[in-house]
Amino acid sequence: QKEVEQDPGPLSVPEGAIVSLNCTYSNSAFQYFMWYRQYSRKGPELLMYTYSSGNKEDGRFTAQVDKSSKYISLFIRDSQPSDSATYLCAMSTDSWGKFQFGAGTQVVVTP
Amino acid sequence: ETGVTQTPRHLVMGMTNKKSLKCEQHLGHNAMYWYKQSAKKPLELMFVYNFKEQTENNSVPSRFSPECPNSSHLFLHLHTLQPEDSALYLCASSQDLGRLYEKLFFGSGTQLSVL
Repeated sequence: QKEVEQDPGPLSVPEGAIVSLNCTYSNSAFQYFMWYRQYSRKGPELLMYTYSSGNKEDGRFTAQVDKSSKYISLFIRDSQPSDSATYLCAMSTDSWGKFQFGAGTQVVVTP
Repeated sequence: ETGVTQTPRHLVMGMTNKKSLKCEQHLGHNAMYWYKQSAKKPLELMFVYNFKEQTENNSVPSRFSPECPNSSHLFLHLHTLQPEDSALYLCASSQDLGRLYEKLFFGSGTQLSVL
């Protein structure tokens, strides 16, 4: 079993729709969670980070962590074609930077 | 731009060649990383350097040899690679290790093809 599971997609949504992404994990010691966005032919860039359980909102983006279910989610409201990218989840047992990444979900937002 | 520059962007090499990947960061960071990204697979951490000292070698084969002459530059020397080593190699930097919510800044990567 992979330590971090993420549906590869592609996930295709019309412009303006809500994009819902998630990752499941097996290591209950994970407590730092991040979401990265990676455009084609670019490196990943950090979108959001959360610690332990709960929700965090930043503009059109909302991250949720449910540690009891070992499940994290990222929601993108009012999606735009510029949101088309691969979204990677990452998590760690400590804060020093050794994160386990998911394989990424490709998102396509169609005009 | 993220402030992390990788060269070359693309590299094709034979299994007997020797080549090097270069990474330079202009962010004043102290930690630098090499990651391997294969299609449909998670990012794999290869090496970590903090203040020029290697702190992590994630069981990487010896045909990959990192070098960190200073906190701004990181190299990955390649020799006698295998076709399965074909992947996107990403360099990243962060301010330090052991900080809360350590934020990684990635370069655009070198797309490597081994023939």
